[in-house]
Amino acid sequence: AQSVTQLGSHVSVSEGALVLLRCNYSSSVPPYLFWYVQYPNQGLQLLLKYTSAATLVKGINGFEAEFKKSETSFHLTKPSAHMSDAAEYFCAVTPSSGSARQLTFGSGTQLTVLP
Amino acid sequence: EPEVTQTPSHQVTQMGQEVILRCVPISNHLYFYWYRQILGQKVEFLVSFYNNEISEKSEIFDDQFSVERPDGSNFTLKIRSTKLEDSAMYFCASSERGASSYNEQFFGPGTRLTVL
Repeated sequence: AQSVTQLGSHVSVSEGALVLLRCNYSSSVPPYLFWYVQYPNQGLQLLLKYTSAATLVKGINGFEAEFKKSETSFHLTKPSAHMSDAAEYFCAVTPSSGSARQLTFGSGTQLTVLP
Repeated sequence: EPEVTQTPSHQVTQMGQEVILRCVPISNHLYFYWYRQILGQKVEFLVSFYNNEISEKSEIFDDQFSVERPDGSNFTLKIRSTKLEDSAMYFCASSERGASSYNEQFFGPGTRLTVL
């Protein structure tokens, strides 16, 4: 069974500061990994995905994430936070093989950007 | 850009009533999903649907839930007899490819279900 752990349910950063949101996965084989963002009262928007190609993945809005197999991590970063980045961020996994297609989500990290 | 749509955006119902949540997936997608998010909690998988049948379901998806693709475009989630604990945001998602490819799911905006 797969699982995802997001360390830190709430993260606050100053505008212009580095954003680091942590995600660790548990899986018998490296899965496919995703970061989704949810703005207030909206659905889930895909930020970026890892599907066993490049380990450093660039996404929308200046976000990127690095897949580290040795650390079973897929942390999300952005060099300089913007006020519009305030939202909830979810890490998710799905098997890279087999027929199962469900996404397993982490518990989410609420990002606050301070002026 | 194609998107997943869901109706209604907000549904209020009395406990014990039946509700049907509707979704229109992206037109060339083959896999369809329902997830739910209870307020303040993580997004949880309910069910996936492929080739007009359920392909996976979670423990949450018990006999009170059912899914259907009644025509070529809609995908519905029915809750037969709603309970207070069914109050949640329900997200529909769809993905294009089959088992041989990665699973990028596109999510709709959600239906907020409130059971009184």
